[in-house]
Amino acid sequence: DAGVTQSPTHLIKTRGQQVTLRCSPKSGHDTVSWYQQALGQGPQFIFQYYEEEERQRGNFPDRFSGHQFPNYSSELNVNALLLGDSALYLCASRPGVGYGYTFGSGTRLTVV
Amino acid sequence: QKEVEQDPGPLSVPEGAIVSLNCTYSNSAFQYFMWYRQYSRKGPELLMYTYSSGNKEDGRFTAQVDKSSKYISLFIRDSQPSDSATYLCAMSPFGFGNEKLTFGTGTRLTIIP
Repeated sequence: DAGVTQSPTHLIKTRGQQVTLRCSPKSGHDTVSWYQQALGQGPQFIFQYYEEEERQRGNFPDRFSGHQFPNYSSELNVNALLLGDSALYLCASRPGVGYGYTFGSGTRLTVV
Repeated sequence: QKEVEQDPGPLSVPEGAIVSLNCTYSNSAFQYFMWYRQYSRKGPELLMYTYSSGNKEDGRFTAQVDKSSKYISLFIRDSQPSDSATYLCAMSPFGFGNEKLTFGTGTRLTIIP
C-alpha cells in the first residue's frame, strides 16, 4: 500500500518564478494538509483541503495557494518565489477526523 | 512565547538506555497529541497518537500526556541505533476544520552502539 507520494523530490527555482508541487494522499485518505519545514525547525502549517475546498489556513501569504482534485490529490502553488521560500514542503493526509496524519517524504525546494 | 516548546538537544545516549523526550505547551485548546520520528531528508513518521491524559504504550514506546501541567513525554525503552533520528512532538485542537498541527522544533537523538 503506497503511502503519501510527493513530486518532484527536489526542485531548484530562481527568485520570482512560480512553482507547483504535487501530492497523492494515502489510499482511503480524503483530507490533505501542506506544511513547510525550514532546516532545523518543525513543520509549519500552510493549509488543509477537504472536499476540494480550503478548510483551514496558516500564517502564509497569498502567494501560497492550493487545490484539491476529485481523486483527493492536491497541488501547492507558490508564486513570486523568495529566497526564504527555500524549505522542505511536506504533504500529509488522514482518513477522517480524529486520526493521525501520514506524511510524505517531501519536496525540497531551493530558490536561488 | 512559542505555543509548543521542545528541547532541541542534541541528545546522545548509549544503546539499551531509556530515552525521555519532552514537550510543554501553552494552548489549552490542544486535545490531540502526537509524536513523530524524522530521519534525515525524510518526512515525519507517526509513532504515537493520543487524545487523553495518561499513558499509551506501543512496543518500546510509551507516550505520556499530562493536560493539567500541559506537558507531554515520549519514552523509548531498550534504545537501538536505528532510533537515532529527530523526534517531533505535535498537537492540535479538536474539531473539523480546526486540525492544524503545531509542532515543536524537534529533538535530535543519537543512540551510541
